Amino acid sequence: GDSVTQMEGPVTLSEEAFLTINCTYTATGYPSLFWYVQYPGEGLQLLLKATKADDKGSNKGFEATYRKETTSFHLEKGSVQVSDSAVYFCALSEGWTGGGNKLTFGTGTQLKVEL
Amino acid sequence: GAVVSQHPSRVICKSGTSVKIECRSLDFQATTMFWYRQFPKQSLMLMATSNEGSKATYEQGVEKDKFLINHASLTLSTLTVTSAHPEDSSFYICSARPGQGSNQPQHFGDGTRLSIL
Repeated sequence: GDSVTQMEGPVTLSEEAFLTINCTYTATGYPSLFWYVQYPGEGLQLLLKATKADDKGSNKGFEATYRKETTSFHLEKGSVQVSDSAVYFCALSEGWTGGGNKLTFGTGTQLKVEL
Repeated sequence: GAVVSQHPSRVICKSGTSVKIECRSLDFQATTMFWYRQFPKQSLMLMATSNEGSKATYEQGVEKDKFLINHASLTLSTLTVTSAHPEDSSFYICSARPGQGSNQPQHFGDGTRLSIL
């Protein structure tokens, strides 16, 4: 079955540091890939998505590129802020979709950004 | 933006009682809602897909008689954990999808932390 593997956290960075959160996936078909973010005390929010190979999703300074050859969708940001502290979830959905179908999630990676 | 309200946010109850969790889409209609469960330091696992006016579709290994889902209107789905036991303690999260197709993203509630004593 489908699965998503994320790097374990927590990841602790200083403000303005470069962020990478690794995500790899296993899927039988051609999935769509997503990053969700959960700020403290809030629900999950869609951060970015990519629906086919070599697509790059981007939002709020975060980027992730759909790499079919390495089955990866690593999340990056060039300069993190304290306000980026949250839990980040990588997820996939089978087929081309905006995210409205069944989602398979990774375990989540907690990011802490300090001054 | 699209808002999903989940209630209660936290519930503590005795073993053997039934607990109802509500999921409401506040500013859009949701033909489809999803119920997820999250154990500590683990993934969100889809439990069931709830469709308005029809029976929910449960994922493999999820007991439909244990976790009753009712999606009676386009803005409300409920999950009832029947005869709850300590092993049912978990974080339950719902999401709602606007419109009819899968092109629209899911919007998530803030979750319900259920603790069974």
